[in-house]
Amino acid sequence: DTAVSQTPKYLVTQMGNDKSIKCEQNLGHDTMYWYKQDSKKFLKIMFSYNNKELIINETVPNRFSPKSPDKAHLNLHINSLELGDSAVYFCASSQDPRGAPLHFGNGTRLTVT
Amino acid sequence: AQKVTQAQTEISVVEKEDVTLDCVYETRDTTYYLFWYKQPPSGELVFLIRRNSFDEQNEISGRYSWNFQKSTSSFNFTITASQVVDSAVYFCALSEARTGNQFYFGTGTSLTVIP
Repeated sequence: DTAVSQTPKYLVTQMGNDKSIKCEQNLGHDTMYWYKQDSKKFLKIMFSYNNKELIINETVPNRFSPKSPDKAHLNLHINSLELGDSAVYFCASSQDPRGAPLHFGNGTRLTVT
Repeated sequence: AQKVTQAQTEISVVEKEDVTLDCVYETRDTTYYLFWYKQPPSGELVFLIRRNSFDEQNEISGRYSWNFQKSTSSFNFTITASQVVDSAVYFCALSEARTGNQFYFGTGTSLTVIP
């Protein structure tokens, strides 16, 4: 059973398009995240939701919008894709209390052409 | 300022050698948590260990061991008798009680084990 699953695994699209990445966790965790990993492997947090409420919103272009319909799901929608959006996007979840480890999905490799 | 520093960008060792991956962190919190993650070539991020700031005991799990020293703000990771399957990028991370769910990742150390 996959704990944190995200789809699709690969996403190739053209500049200007709108795309979504879906994430679901079956661990019963309260908190979910989106991370971006660039070509140099640097991991940068984008968003964090706790029980459907946004708690971390780093400096991310407005073209990126997270949506959490329930605490088991956190989707990422990206408008007007740009070349610089090409990266691997990881969904993760963690359980309270603070200090619990992150459990990551397998990542979505987004390529914008 | 970088909260987690992994000064070693790339390391290569020959199989069966021991290797230590360094991690230095910076925090003003008295309560914090340290983590190591492994990212093999297949790309997934695998949780290896968590340590809280009140527990300085070193930990050993098979060929892996971790040395936590608050005096030097370091949380180093040693692989004994390295194997090719250990080839991966390893990330050290910090979470502070004060900032809750914010994780600070180091820039990673790419380890290559040569057969």
